[in-house]
Amino acid sequence: DSGVTQTPKHLITATGQRVTLRCSPRSGDLSVYWYQQSLDQGLQFLIQYYNGEERAKGNILERFSAQQFPDLHSELNLSSLELGDSALYFCASSVAGSYGYTFGSGTRLTVV
Amino acid sequence: GESVGLHLPTLSVQEGDNSIINCAYSNSASDYFIWYKQESGKGPQFIIDIRSNMDKRQGQRVTVLLNKTVKHLSLQIAATQPGDSAVYFCAEKKMNSGYSTLTFGKGTMLLVSP
Repeated sequence: DSGVTQTPKHLITATGQRVTLRCSPRSGDLSVYWYQQSLDQGLQFLIQYYNGEERAKGNILERFSAQQFPDLHSELNLSSLELGDSALYFCASSVAGSYGYTFGSGTRLTVV
Repeated sequence: GESVGLHLPTLSVQEGDNSIINCAYSNSASDYFIWYKQESGKGPQFIIDIRSNMDKRQGQRVTVLLNKTVKHLSLQIAATQPGDSAVYFCAEKKMNSGYSTLTFGKGTMLLVSP
């Protein structure tokens, strides 16, 4: 157990729908990162939050959004889902100033 | 578990052999690199890191070599074991919207046979 908790582990939904993925960072970590992993694109950085505020933004689609709450857990919202959004979505956390990210086990999203 | 390596370069070795996994990076200004290991059905796991002011760093059974001249990073695993079978990613620190984040390479699948 890495200390980073992601729920749900698996999610199957239809095109056009909206889903929310949840992440609880490791205790004491203020930074949360979201990554998307697909077979053809590898691990793609989506977005980072630090202590509730948005920091870095990567290849995140406008249909996707995220937030980090006062208790430091984060949610990634994916809307108007398309078949191509099917992927593994990972959350990672780190202490301030560290790049040794700790990853969760991921959420497997399947859009049908 | 989930398979993330169907389209990845693959290195097949025998148990007990030494393994070398290579990675080319793009940004000559990158000053920090990390190797991650991802086993089937799990998230990436930190193995070892190296800063650009170093050429070599050793951990337990692993060594990372950095050649800044040709922008090349390698991970050496000594006495490879079946439990080392996984996908290995190199990652470099890159600026994103004014903040540093990790950018991952495509990955290499290591298959260790007994």
